Amino acid sequence: DAGVIQSPRHEVTEMGQEVTLRCKPISGHNSLFWYRQTMMRGLELLIYFNNNVPIDDSGMPEDRFSAKMPNASFSTLKIQPSEPRDSAVYFCASSLTDRGAEAFFGQGTRLTVV
Amino acid sequence: GEDVEQSLFLSVREGDSSVINCTYTDSSSTYLYWYKQEPGAGLQLLTYIFSNMDMKQDQRLTVLLNKKDKHLSLRIADTQTGDSAIYFCAESYGQNFVFGPGTRLSVLP
Repeated sequence: DAGVIQSPRHEVTEMGQEVTLRCKPISGHNSLFWYRQTMMRGLELLIYFNNNVPIDDSGMPEDRFSAKMPNASFSTLKIQPSEPRDSAVYFCASSLTDRGAEAFFGQGTRLTVV
Repeated sequence: GEDVEQSLFLSVREGDSSVINCTYTDSSSTYLYWYKQEPGAGLQLLTYIFSNMDMKQDQRLTVLLNKKDKHLSLRIADTQTGDSAIYFCAESYGQNFVFGPGTRLSVLP
């Protein structure tokens, strides 16, 4: 398996534009996580899904953020409208829900909103 | 909610041992993890320990767990420049993982 695949790797967009980040989890994994990493706040969990169902979205900062998982092999994180303070690296991770299973991370999407 | 804390920075000389410390709050955590993040990359699992263990050794890495004090440490023996990275402590919490803020390890020549 190629691991968790995220696209794009880098995104530069203007304030107010819609941004969509994509993630393909590892085949067979039934949990998927979206994290945001910044220098100021470190690694923050935004939302996680189990069997395609959102379980905890309390980390989603505002209504401008939304995430979907239409099937077991694809998830999106959308920001509309984007703001400069959304600039960060966004990571997707997936895992099995077995006890002790580790989370496998993608390479991340570096988002810059100007 | 659950919380994991770490010191943010550590500098060591090449060849010395590094010890990165972590404290956590959830006494029911079954597994505790150490992840490594190199510049421009995602997090990769280094090692993990089951909560009924006190110690786990894997080559240059030694993990110590003090469950009473909810304290976890990662010791890297003979630290090399390639060990420079951010190290995250994490605990399993239900179906979720709770990560610490990360410790940035700098290895000086």
